[in-house]
Amino acid sequence: EAQVTQNPRYLITVTGKKLTVTCSQNMNHEYMSWYRQDPGLGLRQIYYSMNVEVTDKGDVPEGYKVSRKEKRNFPLILESPSPNQTSLYFCASSEGGDEVHTEAFFGQGTRLTVV
Amino acid sequence: AQSVTQLGSHVSVSEGALVLLRCNYSSSVPPYLFWYVQYPNQGLQLLLKYTTGATLVKGINGFEAEFKKSETSFHLTKPSAHMSDAAEYFCAVTGYFGNEKLTFGTGTRLTIIP
Repeated sequence: EAQVTQNPRYLITVTGKKLTVTCSQNMNHEYMSWYRQDPGLGLRQIYYSMNVEVTDKGDVPEGYKVSRKEKRNFPLILESPSPNQTSLYFCASSEGGDEVHTEAFFGQGTRLTVV
Repeated sequence: AQSVTQLGSHVSVSEGALVLLRCNYSSSVPPYLFWYVQYPNQGLQLLLKYTTGATLVKGINGFEAEFKKSETSFHLTKPSAHMSDAAEYFCAVTGYFGNEKLTFGTGTRLTIIP
């Protein structure tokens, strides 16, 4: 089954404690991205990756890091989380490349609370 | 730059009534347009998409949308609402190539009144 898997689904942490949210896809997709969803703001792109070792900033990258060492994995790293990073996070993947844009597949989401 | 505007953050309709969710886009290149649905505590699921060709596109669960270039709109409709349609709906726009960013609207929460 084609899927994007995020872990954990729920996370409560304290300010300043480094955390990583994992994302893995099994569709051999080139393009992966992270979004955060906040009420009234929709989904905003944090970072994206066009392929292995190729990452770039999205619209709201401050306070986040990513890496793409393998095609299937695209972890999101918060080095020093702050309360304003409390949000619902989604990982997504799509075929990417020079092909016509196709469907983006989304993970189930990670609800992060920073206290 | 591309953007979408969804009119109405909350829409309520009676069960069996017409559903109409509005989306207007802005794009300097021919747009590819999508509607996604998010059920409670779940990720986003593709409802339908417009790429090229027929301007009236049909999606899952009886939804459809019409691309109107002259009005820069891509409104989502369903003739008869069902209780299971209660969810949040997002319109999104991107360009031709698969490595271009998907830009989302702010979402419309649909409530179905029994």
